[in-house]
Amino acid sequence: EAGVAQSPRYKIIEKRQSVAFWCNPISGHATLYWYQQILGQGPKLLIQFQNNGVVDDSQLPKDRFSAERLKGVDSTLKIQPAKLEDSAVYLCASSLETSPSYEQYFGPGTRLTVT
Amino acid sequence: GDSVTQMEGPVTLSEEAFLTINCTYTATGYPSLFWYVQYPGEGLQLLLKATKADDKGSNKGFEATYRKETTSFHLEKGSVQVSDSAVYFCALSDHGGSYIPTFGRGTSLIVHP
Repeated sequence: EAGVAQSPRYKIIEKRQSVAFWCNPISGHATLYWYQQILGQGPKLLIQFQNNGVVDDSQLPKDRFSAERLKGVDSTLKIQPAKLEDSAVYLCASSLETSPSYEQYFGPGTRLTVT
Repeated sequence: GDSVTQMEGPVTLSEEAFLTINCTYTATGYPSLFWYVQYPGEGLQLLLKATKADDKGSNKGFEATYRKETTSFHLEKGSVQVSDSAVYFCALSDHGGSYIPTFGRGTSLIVHP
């Protein structure tokens, strides 16, 4: 079975520019997660979708970050405008259901560098 | 809120040594507990999990027991190999709390031949 796909793998932008990341979860997985992982830290949840609805976005900086999951399949995460502190790896993960006992499957991540 | 605390790394061991990576947690509800592993150049993948108190998760020679009384989920392996070199993340998802998956900072393991 194909894993979680993410693109691009690497992105370098200047501060105040915008950037978008794309994620395609494992087929049939209802729940999709976006995480931010700053160097030396664990992943921090930004937003969680169940199909095309938002389950939790309490840790998403909504003044600059947005995400959507149209049609309940693939998803995009956007940053506009970017700040230096947004430099991180952005991880997408999916799971069969939202229940906390379900395993998450992670994509390879997108490494963002903001200069 | 929920939190996960892991021992700081790197942990450096010789091949065939015994491994323990400590993990403690705080949760408002009754969490499921996980260990994820990230090998060099790869994404995170589940290593093992436990969904209720006293459960033992195991995989690839690694074990961890869900200890509610000490709020711990320590990872152990009896004999590590060079191929176990990776970053290990302890995580929880809280059934009775926020449902937000919470990860520790990660512990780097380096195994020398």
